[in-house]
Amino acid sequence: AQTVTQSQPEMSVQEAETVTLSCTYDTSENNYYLFWYKQPPSRQMILVIRQEAYKQQNATENRFSVNFQKAAKSFSLKISDSQLGDTAMYFCAFMKGTGAGSYQLTFGKGTKLSVIP
Amino acid sequence: EAGVVQSPRYKIIEKKQPVAFWCNPISGHNTLYWYRQNLGQGPELLIRYENEEAVDDSQLPKDRFSAERLKGVDSTLKIQPAELGDSAVYLCASTLRTSGYNEQFFGPGTRLTVL
Repeated sequence: AQTVTQSQPEMSVQEAETVTLSCTYDTSENNYYLFWYKQPPSRQMILVIRQEAYKQQNATENRFSVNFQKAAKSFSLKISDSQLGDTAMYFCAFMKGTGAGSYQLTFGKGTKLSVIP
Repeated sequence: EAGVVQSPRYKIIEKKQPVAFWCNPISGHNTLYWYRQNLGQGPELLIRYENEEAVDDSQLPKDRFSAERLKGVDSTLKIQPAELGDSAVYLCASTLRTSGYNEQFFGPGTRLTVL
């Protein structure tokens, strides 16, 4: 079974600054995906960024980028130029790439990020 | 294009009462998921449908929970009778499942409070 650990229950950052959210995971799989989801107070979960395990290059989406360290099983999210709209719960998630359970997302407990004006 | 629709958004009931949640997935999505999100936790999968077939309900507490997806479109999740520990947010998600990676799109959820 896979596990996802987010060790930072809450974080805060000043507007326009940069913040990094941490995530570690445990799996014996070699083919998998990792995700960061954002859940604003309205509760709709939105995909922020995705990383395929077979890709060495770190994924980027505008102000969002990841630091994927496969050997260390670490997957951190960096948010640059933080904006007030980034205030939300952020969940790290894992999905197997193939085989049984390849559809199933396993989530961490989340990190509550507050962007301070 | 409309996203995943869920209703109601909020529900407050007394323990031992029944409750039902409704989900309408994104048009054309063949796969539908129900998740439960306890306070301060990430979502956990309850059941997955491929069209109208429940292909994984291993984490659904079958003594009190039931679900259906008639005609392979919208779905209903029911709890009868509800217990205090069922208080949570119930999320529905959908995807168009093909080979390879398929993004799951989530609805806004139903927040259930059992008193």
